[in-house]
Formats: sequence, structure tokens, C-alpha cells
Amino acid sequence: KAGVTQTPRYLIKTRGQQVTLSCSPISGHRSVSWYQQTPGQGLQFLFEYFSETQRNKGNFPGRFSGRQFSNSRSEMNVSTLELGDSALYLCASSLNPLGLSQETQYFGPGTRLLVL
Amino acid sequence: GDSVTQMEGPVTLSEEAFLTINCTYTATGYPSLFWYVQYPGEGLQLLLKATKADDKGSNKGFEATYRKETTSFHLEKGSVQVSDSAVYFCALTEKSQGGSEKLVFGKGTKLTVNP
Repeated sequence: KAGVTQTPRYLIKTRGQQVTLSCSPISGHRSVSWYQQTPGQGLQFLFEYFSETQRNKGNFPGRFSGRQFSNSRSEMNVSTLELGDSALYLCASSLNPLGLSQETQYFGPGTRLLVL
Repeated sequence: GDSVTQMEGPVTLSEEAFLTINCTYTATGYPSLFWYVQYPGEGLQLLLKATKADDKGSNKGFEATYRKETTSFHLEKGSVQVSDSAVYFCALTEKSQGGSEKLVFGKGTKLTVNP
């Protein structure tokens, strides 16, 4: 079974631009979560989608948004990029909302975004 | 909100040395606890987990015990290998008002094992 895939793997943008990152979960997985990883702040939760609905959201500004499609694939969008948005963006999938205590969340390799 | 504190790195050990990475947490409820590992250039992999007090998670020679009285979940391995070199993250589950869960991570501890 293929793992979580994220595209693109690397991205360079300039301040003020917008960017869309894509995540394809493991086949059959319906929950997709996004995390931002930076050296200063570590790993921070962005949002989680299940069955095309956002169920949980972290403390990020409205410039960060996401969506999930009927095939469970997810995208996240960052508008008006700032230098501080440079980070590794990780996507994770799990089967369904039994809770993370009972399921394993599988992470993709991440998309590394550099904002110049 | 809930939080996780883990020991600052980096940690450098020789092969076959004993490893301990400390992790303590603050939580309002009864979270599940996890250790994830991140190898260079890769995403996170679940190493082990414990879902209730006194549970011991174990995998690949690594162990951690959920200690509610000390709010700790320290990671240990008796004899590390060069291939264990990675960044280790302690994490807990935090439940939202809607009932869904997210992971709250510590800052990570980089481990380097020298031959």
C-alpha cells in the first residue's frame, strides 16, 4: 500500500505570493491533518479534515486555509506569503475518527517551502 | 492548552550506550502519549505509544512508560545503534470541543550515535 504522498516536495516562493500544497492520504484513510514544522516553533497543528469537513483548527491566521475532496485528497493554501511561513509542511492521514489513541496517524515526507 | 516538554538536544552517544530522553507533559484531561521519530529527509514515524497510566509502549528496543503521577513519558533504549540517529518527538493527544483529536508535540531531541 502506498504511503502518504505530498507534492511538491520543494517549493520556493517570494513574499506576497500564494501557494497550494497537496496531500494524498493512504488509500482508505479519510482523515487528513496538516502540521507546520519550523526550527523555532517546532511542530504545530494547522487543521484536520474528515469527509470534506474541517473538524479542528490550530492557531494560525486566516491566510492558512485548506480543503478536502471527496476522494480524501487534501490541499492547503497559504496566501500573501511571509518570510516566517518558510517551513516543512507535513500531512498525516488516519483511517477514521476513532481517535488517535486507537489509530496510527501516518505522516508524509513533507513539502519544504522557502519564502524569499 | 496542553503542552509537552522534552529535553534539549542534541544528544551524542557511542554505539551500545544507554539512551534516555526525558519528556514531561501538562494536560487537563487524560491524553494518550506518543514517541515519533524523524529520520533525515523523511516525515515522522510512530515509534511507540501508551494510552493510559502505567501502560508501557515498546518497539525496536525502545520503551516508555506512562507515569501519571510524574506526568512523564521518558524514552529509553538499552543499547543504541548508529541507525538510531534521528530526531525524536514526544507528543500527546489533545481533544477539541468537537471531539476530534490533534497531536501536540515537544520541540524534538536530536540523537547522534557514533560508531
